[in-house]
Amino acid sequence: DTGVSQDPRHKITKRGQNVTFRCDPISEHNRLYWYRQTLGQGPEFLTYFQNEAQLEKSRLLSDRFSAERPKGSFSTLEIQRTEQGDSAMYLCASWDSYLTDTQYFGPGTRLTVL
Amino acid sequence: AQKVTQAQTEISVVEKEDVTLDCVYETRDTTYYLFWYKQPPSGELVFLIRRNSFDEQNEISGRYSWNFQKSTSSFNFTITASQVVDSAVYFCALSTLNAGGTSYGKLTFGQGTILTVHP
Repeated sequence: DTGVSQDPRHKITKRGQNVTFRCDPISEHNRLYWYRQTLGQGPEFLTYFQNEAQLEKSRLLSDRFSAERPKGSFSTLEIQRTEQGDSAMYLCASWDSYLTDTQYFGPGTRLTVL
Repeated sequence: AQKVTQAQTEISVVEKEDVTLDCVYETRDTTYYLFWYKQPPSGELVFLIRRNSFDEQNEISGRYSWNFQKSTSSFNFTITASQVVDSAVYFCALSTLNAGGTSYGKLTFGQGTILTVHP
């Protein structure tokens, strides 16, 4: 499988718990993006990496959110002290502008905070 | 700031009808990319097309066609002879240069249009 993969696909947690999601991009792609999609809305940008460097963060990314891409390969997105408003689909995408026309998206992780 | 508006929340058609999905965008940048993505019930976003702001040529790919008009900031998508398998949510998106002005970064998406094609 050469696409973007995300793990887990579904996560149910209780309010106040911490959660961590993983994204494995397409191996040749140097850019990795995180988006959040709530029901009935388009995806909203959260942050992106060029190799291991985090180059841009949205104001949506509160202090409870942190993302890493330690070796420029896979990335993790952690949400601390989850709130019900964090319930959403978290999408990861990867891109290398020299190789492809656009970002390719993974299947997403659906988070439900009870 | 960038903004993408898809005014049609839902469209319902009968198979074989033609359908056009509207997209209007706002940006102060003179160089940008426009995209269309399809999100079927499975949830994964599927890339359909990218258009550079300098290229206003319309494009046709099978039953799909795109009309880019810079004068009206619109990038509309037409499906000819729709099929049940076209049922999905369709998103228009915009990408401009990143904060450093060095390369294209995040996508700004519209709210999406739910297309239902009935047999």
